[in-house]
Amino acid sequence: QVQLVQSGAEVKKPGASVKVSCKASGYRFTDYYIHWVRQAPGQGFEWMGWMHPNSGGTKFAQNFQDRVTMTRDTSTNTVYMELSRLRSDDTAVYFCARGGRRVSAPEDVWGRGTTVTVSS
Amino acid sequence: EIVMTQSPATLSVSPGESATLSCRASQSVISTLAWYQQKPGQSPRLLIYDASTRATGVPARFSGNGAGTEFTLTITSLQSEDFALYYCQQYNILPFTFGPGTKVDIK
Repeated sequence: QVQLVQSGAEVKKPGASVKVSCKASGYRFTDYYIHWVRQAPGQGFEWMGWMHPNSGGTKFAQNFQDRVTMTRDTSTNTVYMELSRLRSDDTAVYFCARGGRRVSAPEDVWGRGTTVTVSS
Repeated sequence: EIVMTQSPATLSVSPGESATLSCRASQSVISTLAWYQQKPGQSPRLLIYDASTRATGVPARFSGNGAGTEFTLTITSLQSEDFALYYCQQYNILPFTFGPGTKVDIK
């Protein structure tokens, strides 16, 4: 079945970077967009950006444009999201989610989330 | 950025009754609107996409309606497993944006 498995929880100090992985299985990895969405404690969702695993193309939300990087490894069907210059308000659960074959499509399968805690 | 709003913030419903949740977009998103369900400690689950199409495996008691800026999610005959948070999301224009959610709890 279609599955996205994310890496484990992270604790980081302000100013550091975090890199979260998302390993896909059960479908053709290069055919579908992967989105990253975060959810701060007790809050709603904030879309961060997408990557297309085939081309490596990316698009980020303006809030993250200068701090986020998304990469992929097609040999292991894994997408990575790296967020730099962490602040306390980056504390959140970070989800990867499969989008569609086209950009304008919802996220139909989600990873379980990776908790990132930023604290001095 | 398109701002999504949802009402009410909380909806108290008795099991077996129906619930209607509303979602509004600050500008037209045509029909590129999804509804997600989230339970505590879980990832979101896609329920409805393209405003009215049920995702795979979603029971028929969930239905979506609307286009443009006004959308609704209706849950008929609420089951115990339906008490959860519900979010709408537009995926027409980047950045994709979510509403703040409606909590459906037991009356």
